[in-house]
Amino acid sequence: DAKTTQPPSMDCAEGRAANLPCNHSTISGNEYVYWYRQIHSQGPQYIIHGLKNNETNEMASLIITEDRKSSTLILPHATLRDTAVYYCIVLGNAGGTSYGKLTFGQGTILTVHP
Amino acid sequence: GAVVSQHPSWVICKSGTSVKIECRSLDFQATTMFWYRQFPKQSLMLMATSNEGSKATYEQGVEKDKFLINHASLTLSTLTVTSAHPEDSSFYICSAKGRKGTQYFGPGTRLLVL
Repeated sequence: DAKTTQPPSMDCAEGRAANLPCNHSTISGNEYVYWYRQIHSQGPQYIIHGLKNNETNEMASLIITEDRKSSTLILPHATLRDTAVYYCIVLGNAGGTSYGKLTFGQGTILTVHP
Repeated sequence: GAVVSQHPSWVICKSGTSVKIECRSLDFQATTMFWYRQFPKQSLMLMATSNEGSKATYEQGVEKDKFLINHASLTLSTLTVTSAHPEDSSFYICSAKGRKGTQYFGPGTRLLVL
């Protein structure tokens, strides 16, 4: 699976957009980009995923660059409850021993402040 | 939709005893479930992949005789920590793979071995 690189921490003011970057320069053509978040002492929560097109759901938007080497998760109006560790993960798609396995890195600690 | 539950949410046991943790997909069927472990201030580490009706696949370094996994139905997987010791104290989290491949996580089980 492709590795991902994320900044260790970010701050955001409540009500503003939070833009979390992720680099995945070795991503393969059939690998998806998944985003999860983990609020303290809870299990990870699925946010969004995409292959090459931009995606949007009720939680966030995912912008994937045309070369697929990086992506940005956008929380349009951050709230205090969005404070969490955000994980960007490239998922092994088909075949191989890593098929379907999520490999969690250190993620980005997003702190939303008043 | 896509709700995963775990039971118990926390457990304290004496060293040498066994502890069983249940993971259930409440509103979908999951042929594949995963078990993770998370130590304080660290990221999630995959322990094993649980497939309904077949033996679990363990990650390197995880003792299959110590961490028994049973996936007897499409909505239930169990993890039994046998002869638990203080070093097994951790946050155990399961995930269930939905029909479209996305993993949904349970809330986690905090184990403390005295």
